[in-house]
Amino acid sequence: QAQLVQSGSELKKPGASVKVSCKASGYTFDIDTMNWLRQAPGQRPEWMGWISSSTGNPTYAQGFTGRFVFSLDTSVSTAYLQISSLKAEDTAVYYCVLGDLHQPPPTYWGQGTLVTVSS
Amino acid sequence: DVVMTQSPLSLPVTLGQPASISCRSSQSLVYSDGNTYLSWFQQRPGQSPRRLIYKVSNRDSGVPDRFSGSGSGTDFALHISRVEAEDIGVYYCMQGTRWPATFGQGTKVEI
Repeated sequence: QAQLVQSGSELKKPGASVKVSCKASGYTFDIDTMNWLRQAPGQRPEWMGWISSSTGNPTYAQGFTGRFVFSLDTSVSTAYLQISSLKAEDTAVYYCVLGDLHQPPPTYWGQGTLVTVSS
Repeated sequence: DVVMTQSPLSLPVTLGQPASISCRSSQSLVYSDGNTYLSWFQQRPGQSPRRLIYKVSNRDSGVPDRFSGSGSGTDFALHISRVEAEDIGVYYCMQGTRWPATFGQGTKVEI
């Protein structure tokens, strides 16, 4: 059974950058898809895109290009989300999710990382 | 983007009684492969979302059989046959048929 552990909450000023980590353990290597989702306070989740665990190729949804970067370090079983030029509207909980959101087997979710952007 | 509209947004429930949530999409969710990629997620207070149902009516492993999904095309529903206290939270439908994947606005199930 896979488990995903994300890095802790971050408080950043506008214009700064942040890097959120997501470490996988008990990982089954046949699960290729690592998704990233954002959930602003009191709002529905938004799908940001995904990265292939086998190729490292990222795919970004509209609205998440340019300032957002997905990456992997397979040597430590960790996925990363980096956000640059932070804005107040980036304040949200960010989730990593292992697996296909629309097909079996079940997906595995990190506990979420709260990123707060405030001056 | 496909707009997912849920109703109601707030659902008062009685323990032991049935409950249903509706989800409507702005476009048909039937994909070219014949599948309909409509999932339901549960988010308990303070927790990460958890998928309950995929492809309209398939329960994920470990999900109680009191949860079921139905629907086709643009109209879908999540049913709880007998609500239990642990079912309290926010439920989201999500479509994965058309790019990008999108969520409904959520239905808060409360006692």
